[in-house]
Amino acid sequence: ETGVTQTPRHLVMGMTNKKSLKCEQHLGHNAMYWYKQSAKKPLELMFVYSLEERVENNSVPSRFSPECPNSSHLFLHLHTLQPEDSALYLCASSQVSGAGVGEQYFGPGTRLTVT
Amino acid sequence: EDQVTQSPEALRLQEGESSSLNCSYTVSGLRGLFWYRQDPGKGPEFLFTLYSAGEEKEKERLKATLTKKESFLHITAPKPEDSATYLCAVQALSNSGYALNFGKGTSLLVTP
Repeated sequence: ETGVTQTPRHLVMGMTNKKSLKCEQHLGHNAMYWYKQSAKKPLELMFVYSLEERVENNSVPSRFSPECPNSSHLFLHLHTLQPEDSALYLCASSQVSGAGVGEQYFGPGTRLTVT
Repeated sequence: EDQVTQSPEALRLQEGESSSLNCSYTVSGLRGLFWYRQDPGKGPEFLFTLYSAGEEKEKERLKATLTKKESFLHITAPKPEDSATYLCAVQALSNSGYALNFGKGTSLLVTP
């Protein structure tokens, strides 16, 4: 595997279900991100982990719960979602150094549909 | 408030017809400006980073330029495979440094 991978690629879930999205980066980066992409809207940053610590949480509802067990893996746990949460969820990674946070490289995304 | 506006929203070109996409931004201080390409059903693909006014970067038929208020992505003699949505994002000094503020993108269609 190369780059940033995400599973599953597609997910349909009911409002009472619990599911998890998985992201793995094979780039040796030390920061990972979750973004939400909805139609006709710009990408929205949800969470940032740098060196496995959460450094940003952009007022995301508690029904989204991130987990970063190590610098290569990132999860997004989902429970009791709403239909408006249907979107493309993108994972990204970058290398953070004294020079800055670097370019972010994205995975292919998980297309989530909440019914 | 930091803002990124891309224009046009959509652009249709004939193969070989050169044009430019615009990204205007308002930030209190610019760490960097990024261009990405996104194909349908896929994640954004990194193209360029620009850090200071006057900087230019090139890759095949694409050339990105930066001024103090906007960036242009010039496409020279485009081919149908250049069809995609092009996203611009800025990283501002005013935030934590991790966040990218994205524009809504320009959807480019190149016809044979």
